[in-house]
Amino acid sequence: GNSVTQMEGPVTLSEEAFLTINCTYTATGYPSLFWYVQYPGEGLQLLLKATKADDKGSNKGFEATYRKETTSFHLEKGSVQVSDSAVYFCALQGAQKLVFGQGTRLTINP
Amino acid sequence: DTAVSQTPKYLVTQMGNDKSIKCEQNLGHDTMYWYKQDSKKFLKIMFSYNNKELIINETVPNRFSPKSPDKAHLNLHINSLELGDSAVYFCASSQDSGRGQPQHFGDGTRLSIL
Repeated sequence: GNSVTQMEGPVTLSEEAFLTINCTYTATGYPSLFWYVQYPGEGLQLLLKATKADDKGSNKGFEATYRKETTSFHLEKGSVQVSDSAVYFCALQGAQKLVFGQGTRLTINP
Repeated sequence: DTAVSQTPKYLVTQMGNDKSIKCEQNLGHDTMYWYKQDSKKFLKIMFSYNNKELIINETVPNRFSPKSPDKAHLNLHINSLELGDSAVYFCASSQDSGRGQPQHFGDGTRLSIL
């Protein structure tokens, strides 16, 4: 079945550092790929998405590119802020179901 | 103007009790979902309804029964609560069940079983 693997957390960075959170997937067919973010005490919010190979999703300075050849959808940001501290989830959607990675907790120190 | 709202936010109860969690969305979406998030933050889908019809039913114990009175509401009833049911339950909705549709999540209901 479909599955998503994210890099293990927690990840701790200093403000203005470069961020990469790795995400790889296994899927049949042509899934859509998503990054969601969860702030403390809240539900998940869509951060960005890509629906076909080579698409780049971007939002709030975050980017991820749908790489079919490496089955990856890594999340990047050039300069993180304290307000980016949250749990980040990579997810894929096949026919109907959204399948999540295990989440990566990110902490940004001032 | 909350898009997906769940009640209650916190639920503390004894083992063996029966409880319900309610969910409503005002986005006009056709599809709604229930997810369970465990203590390690792992999220797994439980159920999905499209226009009041059940379309996803994962391997969830029969003690869990979803009900969708209309497409804006999806409630979750849990019978004979067990310690392992302690988790955060999230409701979500999407425009439809098609590929690529982002899901909008509620803030979650934290269920604690004593």
